[in-house]
This record gives sequence, structure tokens and C-alpha cells, in this order.
Amino acid sequence: GAVVSQHPSWVICKSGTSVKIECRSLDFQATTMFWYRQFPKQSLMLMATSNEGSKATYEQGVEKDKFLINHASLTLSTLTVTSAHPEDSSFYICSARPKAGAGFYNEQFFGPGTRLTVL
Amino acid sequence: AQTVTQSQPEMSVQEAETVTLSCTYDTSESDYYLFWYKQPPSRQMILVIRQEAYKQQNATENRFSVNFQKAAKSFSLKISDSQLGDAAMYFCAYSPPTDKLIFGTGTRLQVFP
Repeated sequence: GAVVSQHPSWVICKSGTSVKIECRSLDFQATTMFWYRQFPKQSLMLMATSNEGSKATYEQGVEKDKFLINHASLTLSTLTVTSAHPEDSSFYICSARPKAGAGFYNEQFFGPGTRLTVL
Repeated sequence: AQTVTQSQPEMSVQEAETVTLSCTYDTSESDYYLFWYKQPPSRQMILVIRQEAYKQQNATENRFSVNFQKAAKSFSLKISDSQLGDAAMYFCAYSPPTDKLIFGTGTRLQVFP
């Protein structure tokens, strides 16, 4: 149980285009999903927190107009990188936290990540 | 501000031996959770072990155990009988209840046969 999927697993796009990454909780409902960015050999950097049905909360320094997050249902959140540039190339990871009372002790379950390369 | 510090960028251990990874954190909260995550080359984050701050007993999961010192704000991970598959990046993380995870910078563990 507690599986999170991400799609696509990798994507290559041209500079100036937009890319959408999906994060799904497959066997549980997630009231909160998180989006992280990870550069090579570095730790995970939280970009934003999204709660189902409300606007995402972005961390300081993260451009909300560039990284659009939508959490339309209890099992799906999407991250859209708009007008992508080479500096946006990175590994993007989502995680999902089950609804309170599900017995997961505040855990987050992580997706396998999406490697974005912007040419 | 809450911070998590992992002072060992790299560690190595011989197969079947024991290794301890260090983690300290800073918080003014009394109720929180602590986690160790493993990230192998596949980059999938895997939960290794968790500890609730209100529990005095150290958490144990098979070959993995923690030494939780709440007063010292220390949360080390001990891996016993190390295996080649334990080689990975290990991240210590802190979280207040129903809040975001704060990660340390990670420790790369190498396991030699």
C-alpha cells in the first residue's frame, strides 16, 4: 500500500515550452501533496505544498507563475513548468501525505521522480 | 527556524559491519516526528525508520535502529550487518505534525565487500 506514481518519468523539451508533471496517489487519498526539486548530489528542496481544493503554498524564492501547481482531487496533483528554460532542468519529486486518521503517523510517500531536461 | 544537520557527507563500511550516521536538529517544538530516508541510485525515496518525539523508546526496524536523544536534539541511525544493498544516500528529516518535511543535506554511504 501507499504507492505514489509520477508521470512522465523523464521528459525532454525545448526552451520556451511548458511541461506538465502528474503525481498520483494510487491506493490512498492525500489531502496534502508536496513538490520537491533535487539537483545532482544535493538534498531535496521543497518548492510548494498543495492541499486539495485550495491554492498551493510556495516556498520563498519559488516563482508561482512559473511553477503552476494544481491539486484538483484527493489523488492527483500536477506541476506545470511554464516557459521552461535550461536552468529549470532538474529532478522533480512529489510526495503525498495520507488523510489524518489513516494511521501513517505523519508520513509522506514519495513518487519515483521526473527528470526534466530543457534544451 | 527549524534546521537539520548531517555532518558526515560520506561514510563507508565493510559488508556485515555496523555503521552509524549522525543527525542533529534544531527546534523549539515539543511534538514532532523524525525520519530517516534512503535514496538509492534509482532516486526513489524510501522510508527507513521513523520516531515520534513523545516516545522515549528508540525505534527499530530489523537491522536499522536509531539513537534518539531529545534533550541533545540528536537522531542517529545505526545500520547493523551492513549489506551491499544499503549503499545509498541517507537523508535525515524533521517534521512537526501535519507539516512539511525539513531534510538534512544527506550522507552518502558506501558499502565495501
